[in-house]
Amino acid sequence: EAQVTQNPRYLITVTGKKLTVTCSQNMNHEYMSWYRQDPGLGLRQIYYSMNVEVTDKGDVPEGYKVSRKEKRNFPLILESPSPNQTSLYFCASSPSDAAPGYTFGSGTRLTVV
Amino acid sequence: EDKVVQSPLSLVVHEGDTVTLNCSYEVTNFRSLLWYKQEKKAPTFLFMLTSSGIEKKSGRLSSILDKKELFSILNITATQTGDSAVYLCAVPSSGNTGKLIFGQGTTLQVKP
Repeated sequence: EAQVTQNPRYLITVTGKKLTVTCSQNMNHEYMSWYRQDPGLGLRQIYYSMNVEVTDKGDVPEGYKVSRKEKRNFPLILESPSPNQTSLYFCASSPSDAAPGYTFGSGTRLTVV
Repeated sequence: EDKVVQSPLSLVVHEGDTVTLNCSYEVTNFRSLLWYKQEKKAPTFLFMLTSSGIEKKSGRLSSILDKKELFSILNITATQTGDSAVYLCAVPSSGNTGKLIFGQGTTLQVKP
């Protein structure tokens, strides 16, 4: 089944404790992105990648890192999480930058206390 | 700056009602407009619109695009409680970033 797999689905952590949210897609998509969703602000892009070893900042990159060492994986790293990073996170992939085949992962609800 | 604005932000109706959700957009290089439904999990794709005046239909849902006036509407007829969700409108951004610009979403609640 074609899908984007995110883990974990839920995470509660403490301020400053490094964490990684994993994302993997099995559709051989070139593009992958991370979004965060906050009430009243909608979905905003954090980082994106157009291919292996090619990543760039989205609209809200502060406090996050990503890597794309393999085409299928695009982990999101929070080196020192803070409470303002409490949010719902989605990984997404697409075959090109404007295709309708934009597939979202199931989401990770992160709480930083 | 690319922008998408949806209205209303929330809506409460009763089963059987018809609803119209609105989406206006500003984007330098328009390529398409997308509608998604989100039910407490990942957004799921509903429609992609690229041409004005062509209505897309899927059961009780339909959508149309007006490229001259820069807006789209999503209609849901004979609403059911299962239609309760957040409906998101998005456009691909102008740059080669794989980014979708989302509106704030419309939260629809359908009461029995």
